[in-house]
Amino acid sequence: EAQVTQNPRYLITVTGKKLTVTCSQNMNHEYMSWYRQDPGLGLRQIYYSMNVEVTDKGDVPEGYKVSRKEKRNFPLILESPSPNQTSLYFCASSLTSGSRTYNEQFFGPGTRLTVL
Amino acid sequence: AQSVTQPDIHITVSEGASLELRCNYSYGATPYLFWYVQSPGQGLQLLLKYFSGDTLVQGIKGFEAEFKRSQSSFNLRKPSVHWSDAAEYFCAVGGDFGNEKLTFGTGTRLTIIP
Repeated sequence: EAQVTQNPRYLITVTGKKLTVTCSQNMNHEYMSWYRQDPGLGLRQIYYSMNVEVTDKGDVPEGYKVSRKEKRNFPLILESPSPNQTSLYFCASSLTSGSRTYNEQFFGPGTRLTVL
Repeated sequence: AQSVTQPDIHITVSEGASLELRCNYSYGATPYLFWYVQSPGQGLQLLLKYFSGDTLVQGIKGFEAEFKRSQSSFNLRKPSVHWSDAAEYFCAVGGDFGNEKLTFGTGTRLTIIP
């Protein structure tokens, strides 16, 4: 089954304790992205990757890191989490056409993170 | 910069009634427009998309949306809602090529009453 998986689905942690949220897709997609969803703000892009070893900042990258060493995986790293990073996180992936068109983005089930 | 406005935070409709969810966008060129649905505890599922051509697009689950360039709108409609349509709905616009980022609205929560 074609899908985007995220782990963990739920996480409660404390301020300053490094954590990684994994994202994996089995659709051979080049493009992957992380969003955070907050009430009243919708989804905002944190980081994205156009392909292996190619990553760039989105709209709200502060406090986050990413890496793209393999095509299928795009982990989100919080080196020193703070309470304002309590949120619902979504990973997404899609093909990239390289032309002026869009391909559907497929979303993972989300990771609910609470930082105390 | 692209942006999306969903003016209705919460809408309640009776089962079987018609539905229209509003979406207004801001983008300098021809936008790529999407509607996603998020059921409780679930990820986002694409309902429909507009890239070009016919301004009335059909989606899954009986939804449709109409692109109106003059009004910068892309409203979502359904003629008769079902209890299973209760969810949060997000309108999104794409157009930032080189990123393929989607800019989302703040969402509209739909409640269905019997």
